[in-house]
Amino acid sequence: AQSVTQLGSHVSVSEGALVLLRCNYSSSVPPYLFWYVQYPNQGLQLLLKYTSAATLVKGINGFEAEFKKSETSFHLTKPSAHMSDAAEYFCAVSDPGTASKLTFGTGTRLQVTL
Amino acid sequence: DTAVSQTPKYLVTQMGNDKSIKCEQNLGHDTMYWYKQDSKKFLKIMFSYNNKELIINETVPNRFSPKSPDKAHLNLHINSLELGDSAVYFCASSGRGGTGELFFGEGSRLTVL
Repeated sequence: AQSVTQLGSHVSVSEGALVLLRCNYSSSVPPYLFWYVQYPNQGLQLLLKYTSAATLVKGINGFEAEFKKSETSFHLTKPSAHMSDAAEYFCAVSDPGTASKLTFGTGTRLQVTL
Repeated sequence: DTAVSQTPKYLVTQMGNDKSIKCEQNLGHDTMYWYKQDSKKFLKIMFSYNNKELIINETVPNRFSPKSPDKAHLNLHINSLELGDSAVYFCASSGRGGTGELFFGEGSRLTVL
């Protein structure tokens, strides 16, 4: 069985500061990993995905994530937070054999302050 | 043009009633899903259909019955609603190739009183 753990249900950063949202995964096979973002009252939108190519993955809106097998991590970062980044962020994992069956983490709410 | 659209967006009903949520996608995708998001924002897959065939059926009470009349539509019918069914239900779709990119609808918030 696969799972992801998101450390910190709520993260607050100042505008312009580094954003770091943590995700650790558990998988018996090399996984596919994803970050999705959910803005208030909206559905989820894919930010980026890792599917066994480059370990540093760049996504939309300036976000990136690095797959670290030794640490079983896939943390999401952005060098400089913007007010519009305030949202709920979900890490997800899937087995390449059933790639579209995603298991989501519990989410991290990102707050950006002035 | 909305890629994945769900109706209704909000649904308030009494315990014991039966209700349906409809979903349509215009992306030409073969696979559609229903996810349930609870009050703590936890997302869990309920069902998945590939070209009208049920391929994922998680541990969900049989009061929940999905139906896919064609590959662009996936509806969810819920019988004998219970308080615990209150949640946001998301429809999603994905294309061939299966790299896990899901396209989500805006959700249907169900409140059972």
